[in-house]
Amino acid sequence: DTAVSQTPKYLVTQMGNDKSIKCEQNLGHDTMYWYKQDSKKFLKIMFSYNNKELIINETVPNRFSPKSPDKAHLNLHINSLELGDSAVYFCASSQDLLAAYEQYFGPGTRLTVT
Amino acid sequence: AQSVAQPEDQVNVAEGNPLTVKCTYSVSGNPYLFWYVQYPNRGLQFLLKYITGDNLVKGSYGFEAEFNKSQTSFHLKKPSALVSDSALYFCAVRVRGQNFVFGPGTRLSVLP
Repeated sequence: DTAVSQTPKYLVTQMGNDKSIKCEQNLGHDTMYWYKQDSKKFLKIMFSYNNKELIINETVPNRFSPKSPDKAHLNLHINSLELGDSAVYFCASSQDLLAAYEQYFGPGTRLTVT
Repeated sequence: AQSVAQPEDQVNVAEGNPLTVKCTYSVSGNPYLFWYVQYPNRGLQFLLKYITGDNLVKGSYGFEAEFNKSQTSFHLKKPSALVSDSALYFCAVRVRGQNFVFGPGTRLSVLP
């Protein structure tokens, strides 16, 4: 069983469109995250959720809106897509917010905006 | 503010030789340190972590890392490299109440 799964794996869309990426974890973890990995492989956190509540919202455009319907799911909706949004987006989870717990990552969603 | 440096973009090593991937960090407070590996077109996989206690920690696939508080380093090591170890390696740091901060990554190439 896949621990952290994301759909879709690839997403190609045009500027101005709205798209969503879904994430699910079956590890029973309390905390989930969204990361963006750019073309140079730099990894930057976007959002943290703990028990369905937003904990940390790093400086990202408000076109990005995370939604957590339950503890096992954290979806990312992006409005008015721009060329600069092209990247690989990773979902991750950890047991809870304690700093000592490692994260488990999904396989990533490669978003290409044309 | 927390930061992580991986001073080498690329490390090349011959198969069977020992490997080291370097990581230094800057934090306020006690750090929790992690290493992750990313294979092509895959998500990051956890390798090992230092929380407290013994400075030498052992992890998956024969990797180990040594925490050095005075040098603020957490270098990843393996006694004998395999071609299959070729991947992108990320060091990460976290302190209580803060988010993970990842280093820029080091690409390891193990040559047959």
